[in-house]
Amino acid sequence: GEDVEQSLFLSVREGDSSVINCTYTDSSSTYLYWYKQEPGAGLQLLTYIFSNMDMKQDQRLTVLLNKKDKHLSLRIADTQTGDSAIYFCAGGSGGSYIPTFGRGTSLIVHP
Amino acid sequence: DTEVTQTPKHLVMGMTNKKSLKCEQHMGHRAMYWYKQKAKKPPELMFVYSYEKLSINESVPSRFSPECPNSSLLNLHLHALQPEDSALYLCASSQGRGGGVTGELFFGEGSRLTVL
Repeated sequence: GEDVEQSLFLSVREGDSSVINCTYTDSSSTYLYWYKQEPGAGLQLLTYIFSNMDMKQDQRLTVLLNKKDKHLSLRIADTQTGDSAIYFCAGGSGGSYIPTFGRGTSLIVHP
Repeated sequence: DTEVTQTPKHLVMGMTNKKSLKCEQHMGHRAMYWYKQKAKKPPELMFVYSYEKLSINESVPSRFSPECPNSSLLNLHLHALQPEDSALYLCASSQGRGGGVTGELFFGEGSRLTVL
């Protein structure tokens, strides 16, 4: 099955860019996702990328996919205090759409 | 309405109790999921229902019993739980078995379970 690894913490200043990195093991993952979890809330899909894409941009979010290295990153431009949350990388194991989540990266944004 | 509603938000139960967690969605989604999330850990898939039939059981102990009475409702019946079962239980739904165009799952806020 899919195994997803991410760093646990990232601290940035408000207005800076944040880059959250993730590696995964299952090369057959068709979908790769970034979910966001705010305190006391459920997970919310932020963005996704199909495995046949290298990059996807969605307003302040940029997703980069390096399939050779099985590396996924999420860049948040002009990071705001409201972006403070846990960000989960997820892959669909065995070509499935059902996400297998990494441990999550806790993003802390300082004013 | 893009909400998945879970009740109760908090539940404390003893090891001999029987309780249930409930989940409801009115988005017309035909796939529903239970995930378990321990503190500082990722959500782990427990069960998937597709068109009201159980399609995935991730080797979950029988003290957890899922039920899908109709396409809008998903229950998780709890019996003879252990303290290590204390966790946040997340319900999610998606469009059909294929997850729709994006594979997006819509999550509820979770039910925080404490087993004494």
